Amino acid sequence: GAGVSQSPSNKVTEKGKDVELRCDPISGHTALYWYRQRLGQGLEFLIYFQGNSAPDKSGLPSDRFSAERTGESVSTLTIQRTQQEDSAVYLCASSATGKQPQHFGDGTRLSIL
Amino acid sequence: QKEVEQDPGPLSVPEGAIVSLNCTYSNSAFQYFMWYRQYSRKGPELLMYTYSSGNKEDGRFTAQVDKSSKYISLFIRDSQPSDSATYLCAMIPNTGNQFYFGTGTSLTVIP
Repeated sequence: GAGVSQSPSNKVTEKGKDVELRCDPISGHTALYWYRQRLGQGLEFLIYFQGNSAPDKSGLPSDRFSAERTGESVSTLTIQRTQQEDSAVYLCASSATGKQPQHFGDGTRLSIL
Repeated sequence: QKEVEQDPGPLSVPEGAIVSLNCTYSNSAFQYFMWYRQYSRKGPELLMYTYSSGNKEDGRFTAQVDKSSKYISLFIRDSQPSDSATYLCAMIPNTGNQFYFGTGTSLTVIP
């Protein structure tokens, strides 16, 4: 069956530009998470969606970061006015419920020049 | 103090060795424990999922949870070069839905 799909797989952009990253979760999974992984580092929690509840945005590092999800479908993570420190792999994960294990996509590799 | 501590390694072992990977944690509310394997340029892949204390075995992998010591382990028997990857532990408290990840241990199995 289809796993979590993320696009684009790689993104190179200039400092100051906006970027939009997409995540297609596993069908039927109500929970969706975004993480940031800097080179050689662990996973940094960004945001969590559970069904139609208000998202947990406690991990977003600044107001330049935002994310949306409509119902239990696709999510987009938007970074405005990108900075070089935003360079990282952005991983999306989904799970059947909040307590079930997460299943990850292969991430979007973002490079800010 | 971090919620979850994991030795980053790197760990290098010969093929066929038994590998022990460990995480310690500080929050006694953690109830659900997972191990993920992450190959280079790939997302983490779930290996083991356990609830509360005890052992769980799946093929060459055994996950162990000791809640009294706040310590979890992953054992890999008969390690293979294909096991070379970064291994991440993760845990969830019984309330709330945020996952807490270790920083990962890099493992190389030498043929």
